[in-house]
Amino acid sequence: QKEVEQNSGPLSVPEGAIASLNCTYSDRVSQSFFWYRQYSGKSPELIMSIYSNGDKEDGRFTAQLNKASQYVSLLIRDSQPSDSATYLCAVNGGGTDKLIFGTGTRLQVFP
Amino acid sequence: DTAVSQTPKYLVTQMGNDKSIKCEQNLGHDTMYWYKQDSKKFLKIMFSYNNKELIINETVPNRFSPKSPDKAHLNLHINSLELGDSAVYFCASRGAYEQFFGPGTRLTVL
Repeated sequence: QKEVEQNSGPLSVPEGAIASLNCTYSDRVSQSFFWYRQYSGKSPELIMSIYSNGDKEDGRFTAQLNKASQYVSLLIRDSQPSDSATYLCAVNGGGTDKLIFGTGTRLQVFP
Repeated sequence: DTAVSQTPKYLVTQMGNDKSIKCEQNLGHDTMYWYKQDSKKFLKIMFSYNNKELIINETVPNRFSPKSPDKAHLNLHINSLELGDSAVYFCASRGAYEQFFGPGTRLTVL
C-alpha cells in the first residue's frame, strides 16, 4: 500500500465548477497535511495546510481533514483555467517533519 | 526577493562526472531539504538538515553527499553520475510546519 494515495486523473471540470481532489494516507500518527500546486516545469507551491479535523477555508480553496478515515481533500470553488495544474497531497511521515507526497492529481479546467 | 534559490537551473553532463547543486534560503529557517522528482513526477525526500546537522538520510546512494556550510545554505554534491540520476532536484526549507520549495535544478545525465 502506498503511503499517500491520490487519483492521478486527469480530473476535468468546466470553468466555474467545483473541483474536488482527494487523498488518503496510511500513517495514523501523521499530524500535518498539505496541498501543493505544481504547474508544468515549475516547483511545488504551497496552497493549503491543515492540522485538525474539519474544514479550513482560504479564498476559493477549502481543505478537509478526517483523521479517523485517514482522508484529506481539497475543494476549489469557481474553478478557473489558471487552476489547471497537478495538485500534490503531502503528509508528514512517521511523526517527523519528513513530507511524504502522493503522486499528484492533474486538474484540467476547460473554458 | 527569492525565498529559496537554487543554482544551476539546468545541468547537462556525461555519465561518470561529478556535479554540485547549490541552494540558499533567506527565510531564516533552520531546516532545509533535498527532494528528487523523477520522470513520473513522483517527489521524494532525500535529505534533511537542521541547523547544519543531518537529520534525515532516505537511503540515498552514498554518491550523493549533502553539505550545509551554514543554516541558510544546503548544497548537494553527486559523484560518478549515472543515467538514473536524471531528474529534477528541489531544495526546500521549513518554517514552523510548512515547507517552501526552490525553483528546481533539472539534471540530465547523458
